[in-house]
Amino acid sequence: KQEVTQIPAALSVPEGENLVLNCSFTDSAIYNLQWFRQDPGKGLTSLLLIQSSQREQTSGRLNASLDKSSGRSTLYIAASQPGDSATYLCAGVSGAGSYQLTFGKGTKLSVIP
Amino acid sequence: EAEVAQSPRYKITEKSQAVAFWCDPISGHATLYWYRQILGQGPELLVQFQDESVVDDSQLPKDRFSAERLKGVDSTLKIQPAELGDSAMYLCASRPGGSSYEQYFGPGTRLTVT
Repeated sequence: KQEVTQIPAALSVPEGENLVLNCSFTDSAIYNLQWFRQDPGKGLTSLLLIQSSQREQTSGRLNASLDKSSGRSTLYIAASQPGDSATYLCAGVSGAGSYQLTFGKGTKLSVIP
Repeated sequence: EAEVAQSPRYKITEKSQAVAFWCDPISGHATLYWYRQILGQGPELLVQFQDESVVDDSQLPKDRFSAERLKGVDSTLKIQPAELGDSAMYLCASRPGGSSYEQYFGPGTRLTVT
C-alpha cells in the first residue's frame, strides 16, 4: 500500500525567500505525482502534475521534481510571497486501472511580509 | 473551463440525522471519486466509481455511509446517522478514464456535526 509523507508539517519563511517542500512515497510503481494547494476551509487546487516518465515540471515560480528511484518529490517555490501562504499537499497515483491518489498530510506554509 | 460541481458547500447537522452530498463531474468523465478530509489530514478515498459501478468502496463505513451513481453521471454520498466524527471536508473528483491519470477536484462540502 502506498504511503506518502510530507516534511516539514509546517514552515514559516520571510517574504522573498526561496523554499523547498519535501514529499516521500513508499511505492516506486507510481504513475504520477501531483502537488496541490489548499487554502483554509477550501477545496484543492492542482498546481503541478509530474508523469512517471518525467523528472520535473515548472509553472511560473513553482518547480516540482520527481525521483522515483529514491521515492522523493520536491516542490520549489521561488521568491515567496504572502499570497503563497496555504497548505501544500502532494499525492501519488498508483494502482493499475484504479489510478487512486494517496495523499500526504500536507505542509502548512506561512510567508511573513 | 469545465469544473466539478458539488453541493451544498457547507452543511451543519445534528448527530443521528441524515445528510446527503451531491457531485456533478466534468462531462464525459467516466471515473468519479469521493474523498473525506479530516482537519489537519490529507484526503482519504471513500469510494470510486467507474461509470455507474463501484470499483472500490473498501474504506467506506458501510454501516452508515452509502454512495450511488445511478446513471453514471452525477453522484450522491449519504450518511445516516451522522456522528460527531463525521465532521470533515467531503471532496469529489473526476477523471476522464483510460490512462489519463489526472483527477479534477470540486470545491468540497464542509460538514459539521453538532
